[in-house]
Amino acid sequence: EVQLVESGGGLVQPGGSLRLSCAASGFTFSSYWMHWVRQAPGKGLVWVSRINSDGSSTSYADSVKGRFTISRDNAKNTLYLQMNSLRAEDTAVYYCARDRDSSWYFAGFDYWGQGTLVTVSS
Amino acid sequence: DIQMTQSPSTLSASVGDRVTITCRASQSISSWLAWYQQKPGKAPKLLIYKASSLESGVPSRFSGSGSGTEFTLTISSLQPDDFATYYCQQSWTFGQGTKVEIK
Repeated sequence: EVQLVESGGGLVQPGGSLRLSCAASGFTFSSYWMHWVRQAPGKGLVWVSRINSDGSSTSYADSVKGRFTISRDNAKNTLYLQMNSLRAEDTAVYYCARDRDSSWYFAGFDYWGQGTLVTVSS
Repeated sequence: DIQMTQSPSTLSASVGDRVTITCRASQSISSWLAWYQQKPGKAPKLLIYKASSLESGVPSRFSGSGSGTEFTLTISSLQPDDFATYYCQQSWTFGQGTKVEIK
């Protein structure tokens, strides 16, 4: 059974840092692109970042570029999101998600974690 | 950047109704579109990929169609479990969502 389990969320002050983790199991993690998607309270889904299967290529939403870093450890089957210079507008539930076809031919995100809440507030 | 616009934002319907949600892209995206269902407090669930392909395990009352800039998600006969918010997605851009409520 495919499972994605996020951790690392919590309350952080503006300007602070946090690292999210997403532990994957039930599939060959090293074969799949992975994504982070966030959802502010009561709002819609917003894509945050993507990493390819071997970690050599990454992409970011403009709103987080230069502040967030996505990475992965295929030996540990774990995806990460390092978040620096956090702002109030980064407050959201953060989901990790698996790219269904892991190619530039988009086919959606077929498995999602349960999400971890990040709250940026003083 | 490509923008995705869903309509309506909210839809009131009854069990058994046929429901259609529209998603428009600001430029052609061929058939590279996915649809999700999300219930409160839960992660999104993939329903449709590549505009019209039904994800494994998804009931056949859900269907998707369209190509280019206009797409639709249809629920042929709305069931109690289908009251939720639905999102379209093109690559890294989501639509704003359509909430399907009980009439």
